Amino acid sequence: DIVMTQSPDSLAVSLGERATINCKSSQSVLYSPNNKNHLAWYQQKPGQPPKLLIYWASTRESGVPDRFSGSGSGTDFTLTISSLQAEDVSVYYCQQYYSTPLTFGGGTKVEIK
Amino acid sequence: QVQLQQWGAGLLKPSETLSLTCAVYGGSFSAYYWTWIRQPPGKGLEWIGETNHRGGTNYNPSLKSRVTISIDTSKNQFSLKLRSMTAADTAVYYCARVPDTGSYIAGWGQGTLVTVSS
Repeated sequence: DIVMTQSPDSLAVSLGERATINCKSSQSVLYSPNNKNHLAWYQQKPGQPPKLLIYWASTRESGVPDRFSGSGSGTDFTLTISSLQAEDVSVYYCQQYYSTPLTFGGGTKVEIK
Repeated sequence: QVQLQQWGAGLLKPSETLSLTCAVYGGSFSAYYWTWIRQPPGKGLEWIGETNHRGGTNYNPSLKSRVTISIDTSKNQFSLKLRSMTAADTAVYYCARVPDTGSYIAGWGQGTLVTVSS
């Protein structure tokens, strides 16, 4: 199984400031035949299912604000919230879909400082 | 817009079998793969397995011996059965839609909290 490791476990950021979440996979999730990173990011608020934010490591899902961006390749990835808003307080998860079983990172809790 | 609505028993005794069903509304049932994911209270996400409209399945090896995912194309529904439940299986169970086999999760059901307790 591919192990996904997120850091930090939690972070507190002031409103309007940048939040950066890291995700590392135990093996590369870059699939050579399509040259795409099989990596997604989700946002989960309390009592709700996760919501897809980013797929193919950097493609924003329709309707997701452009303050959310994904970057990285191979084994190291980053989710950036460029200007934190109050409604962004959530837990964020990365997920690899390079191979089954699909696996998720442990989550990063983002709070307001 | 594709919507998922799930239901099933929320309280089970140890050794019983979990049974959940997810109905799909809108969109093309045959255009996607359908998956189950669970989340223990306060913890992370675990992929259980997936199926497609042809009935093909793919399971997490950690649960494979206890899991059956089935599909009913006449009702646009798919189901999860997990046998020999223990307290460690207590979790919120989500049904979800994926655009292709083993892909990102494009849409989620509302979740069902399943508690295993004697």
